[in-house]
Amino acid sequence: SQQGEEDPQALSIQEGENATMNCSYKTSINNLQWYRQNSGRGLVHLILIRSNEREKHSGRLRVTLDTSKKSSSLLITASRAADTASYFCATVAKNDMRFGAGTRLTVKP
Amino acid sequence: DSGVTQTPKHLITATGQRVTLRCSPRSGDLSVYWYQQSLDQGLQFLIQYYNGEERAKGNILERFSAQQFPDLHSELNLSSLELGDSALYFCASSFGLAGGPGSYEQYFGPGTRLTVT
Repeated sequence: SQQGEEDPQALSIQEGENATMNCSYKTSINNLQWYRQNSGRGLVHLILIRSNEREKHSGRLRVTLDTSKKSSSLLITASRAADTASYFCATVAKNDMRFGAGTRLTVKP
Repeated sequence: DSGVTQTPKHLITATGQRVTLRCSPRSGDLSVYWYQQSLDQGLQFLIQYYNGEERAKGNILERFSAQQFPDLHSELNLSSLELGDSALYFCASSFGLAGGPGSYEQYFGPGTRLTVT
């Protein structure tokens, strides 16, 4: 069963634009992670943000976490066609890790 | 390339059968995780092994079992297969001294696509 819910389900933007994806969850977490998956391939870890952190950056990626609202966002700046993929958030609590349904991002050249 | 290998890439079998999926973690990684990705259920954590011992269990059916061997490779055994077991099965690994899934960055393999007919 899933805990995180990504919003939107699908997002289509032009190259160079920013893409924002959101993840909401229901229970307390230890950390939250974002992954990327190219069609039919394995997941690639992007960022891990712990429950006591509010923001993290990695290159063109920026992740925020608001534990009071039980939500997180992933911002990809200056998007490229190669960013086209599905993006998943995963919530981690004790010995459980649950993925959301994902956001399908399409970046048009 | 994540360094995690999975075999076979594709598997087609009939209902009621049993299959074994194999995973070799990245060199030096002690933890292995198994996930199932299907259209119905999305991506689900199944089970984690750490240095040969079961560490955490997720939504793994009783018909499924796993083990991690002394050389740290892992196998996921699926028995009495049903049509609904058709899915992509991913293995991931992390160094992780301890801790459950998500404690450390995980490296995913390319997956095994299982089709049950």
